[in-house]
Amino acid sequence: KQEVTQIPAALSVPEGENLVLNCSFTDSAIYNLQWFRQDPGKGLTSLLLIQSSQREQTSGRLNASLDKSSGRSTLYIAASQPGDSATYLCAVRHNAGGTSYGKLTFGQGTILTVHP
Amino acid sequence: NAGVTQTPKFRILKIGQSMTLQCTQDMNHNYMYWYRQDPGMGLKLIYYSVGAGITDKGEVPNGYNVSRSTTEDFPLRLELAAPSQTSVYFCASSWLQGNKNIQYFGAGTRLSVL
Repeated sequence: KQEVTQIPAALSVPEGENLVLNCSFTDSAIYNLQWFRQDPGKGLTSLLLIQSSQREQTSGRLNASLDKSSGRSTLYIAASQPGDSATYLCAVRHNAGGTSYGKLTFGQGTILTVHP
Repeated sequence: NAGVTQTPKFRILKIGQSMTLQCTQDMNHNYMYWYRQDPGMGLKLIYYSVGAGITDKGEVPNGYNVSRSTTEDFPLRLELAAPSQTSVYFCASSWLQGNKNIQYFGAGTRLSVL
C-alpha cells in the first residue's frame, strides 16, 4: 500500500527566505506526482505536476523535483512571501497500467507560515 | 467559471441522521471524486466515478453512497451519520489531457456529527 509522508508538518519562516518542503513515498511505481496548495477554508489548487519520467518542473518561484527511485520529491520556494502562507500537499498517482487513470494518494501536508 | 461547486458549506448532524452532500461541475469532466480530510491528515478517497452511470469505491467507502446520473452531478449520501464521519469533504473533477489527469477541487463541506 502506498504511503506518502511530508516533512516538516509545519514551517515558519521570515519573508524573503528560500525554503524546501519534503515529500516521500513508499512505492516507486508511480505515474506522476503533484504538489497542491490549500488555503484555509478552501479547496486544493494544483501547483506543479511531475511525470514519473521527469526530474523537475518549474513555475515562477516554485521548483519541484522528483527522484522516483528513492521515493522522494521536494518543493523549493524561492524568495518566500506572506502570500505563500498555506498548506502544501503532495500526492502521488498510482501507475494504472501506464495510464493516468490511477488514484491519488495524499500526504498529510506541510503548514507554511511566512512572516512579514 | 463556476468550476466545482459544493453545497452546503457547513452542516451539523445528529447521530443517526442522514444527508446528501451536493457536488456539481460545469467543465464537462468525465471523472469525479469524493474525498474526506481529517484534521492534520491528507485526503482519502471515498468514491469516484469515471462517467455517468459508473461509480466505484475508493479507500474509505463504508457509511457512504454515491450516484452519477448526469455528467455534472455527483452527490454523496450519508445514511446513518456517525461521529467518525465528522470531517471536511471535498469533491473534485478531472479529465484526461494527454498523459495528465489534473483534478479541480471544490471549496469543501465541513460536517460535524454530534
